[in-house]
Amino acid sequence: SQTIHQWPATLVQPVGSPLSLECTVEGTSNPNLYWYRQAAGRGLQLLFYSVGIGQISSEVPQNLSASRPQDRQFILSSKKLLLSDSGFYLCAWVLRGTDSPLHFGNGTRLTVT
Amino acid sequence: GQQVMQIPQYQHVQEGEDFTTYCNSSTTLSNIQWYKQRPGGHPVFLIQLVKSGEVKKQKRLTFQFGEAKKNSSLHITATQTTDVGTYFCAGPKGSGAGSYQLTFGKGTKLSVIP
Repeated sequence: SQTIHQWPATLVQPVGSPLSLECTVEGTSNPNLYWYRQAAGRGLQLLFYSVGIGQISSEVPQNLSASRPQDRQFILSSKKLLLSDSGFYLCAWVLRGTDSPLHFGNGTRLTVT
Repeated sequence: GQQVMQIPQYQHVQEGEDFTTYCNSSTTLSNIQWYKQRPGGHPVFLIQLVKSGEVKKQKRLTFQFGEAKKNSSLHITATQTTDVGTYFCAGPKGSGAGSYQLTFGKGTKLSVIP
């Protein structure tokens, strides 16, 4: 069966520090991968999605970036965090070539202080 | 661009009362999906509706897809405390082969008073 791992679960970082969040998927190949952000009490905002290694599409311009160095690995990064980057970051995957539901990881709760 | 709107934003009900959340898309959808997010958790897929006018039931939950495939609703009969959470609808943008993305509504946060 397929599983998705996301870490860390919680993170407190000072303003101006770098960020690296990692997501890996097991049990499937060639998935589409997604990073969403959820501000406190708000909806899900799509940040990035990827249809393959090295292929990243950005939905919202910001100081975040994403990379996909391997088929089942998706990384969200920032060189310098802002207070507004605080939120709940969710990685998700779906079988490529389908209109299937997304499968979400457990999320990372990031607080920028 | 595509917008998915959901109302109400919040709903407080007494345990045993019914609950309904409504979802409207600015564009016709190939399908609509519903997710539930428990407090502190991640969204979990509930159901996908594909056909115009489709109605599906999961125990006390009834999901409807409008005839024009632009709106949907989720109705919970006789709410229980286990129904607490935020319910999201989501519609696809792009095709499954490449640029498939889901646009989520802002969600309806359900509180159930015991």
